[in-house]
Amino acid sequence: EDKVVQSPLSLVVHEGDTVTLNCSYEVTNFRSLLWYKQEKKAPTFLFMLTSSGIEKKSGRLSSILDKKELFSILNITATQTGDSAIYLCAVVKYGGSQGNLIFGKGTKLSVKP
Amino acid sequence: EAGVAQSPRYKIIEKRQSVAFWCNPISGHATLYWYQQILGQGPKLLIQFQNNGVVDDSQLPKDRFSAERLKGVDSTLKIQPAKLEDSAVYLCASSLSNLRSGYTFGSGTRLTVV
Repeated sequence: EDKVVQSPLSLVVHEGDTVTLNCSYEVTNFRSLLWYKQEKKAPTFLFMLTSSGIEKKSGRLSSILDKKELFSILNITATQTGDSAIYLCAVVKYGGSQGNLIFGKGTKLSVKP
Repeated sequence: EAGVAQSPRYKIIEKRQSVAFWCNPISGHATLYWYQQILGQGPKLLIQFQNNGVVDDSQLPKDRFSAERLKGVDSTLKIQPAKLEDSAVYLCASSLSNLRSGYTFGSGTRLTVV
């Protein structure tokens, strides 16, 4: 059975801290891995990762994929209170219901002032 | 570009009642998805449409849930009759067929069944 596991499930840090969120997966016919930020209801797209070892970066956020060890990490440096959200990891598969996202449960990040 | 539109934003119903949600995807997006997100969990796919055809509805509880996308544009998701465990956020998302632009989610409908 395909599964996506995120850790930790929740995390509390102070402004300025650096955090690393983890996502491991066991999925047949892996195509790509996506990271989303969910503040209220709608998840907003952060990164799509397809190739191993290539870091994607956007401001203080960065992410990398390891297809050999089947995991990805999302780093946030110099955290701000506005980073407080649930961060979702999802995997896309080839074939079958192509485009179906298999989500992890998410990591709830709380950034204290 | 306009985003994925969903309505209503919130809905409270009693168990055994029926409810319908509406989604209008981004113009030109052939693929439309309905996801159910129960509190504390990641979204789970209910149904995927490619234009007006169903690609995957394997996780849709077909005894009570139904969905349609008759003209290949907007879509409705219906629950009849609702159960307490259907309380969740229902998210609609759309994408281009080649997935190059990723997925865009709507703001969702929060359903509470009492």
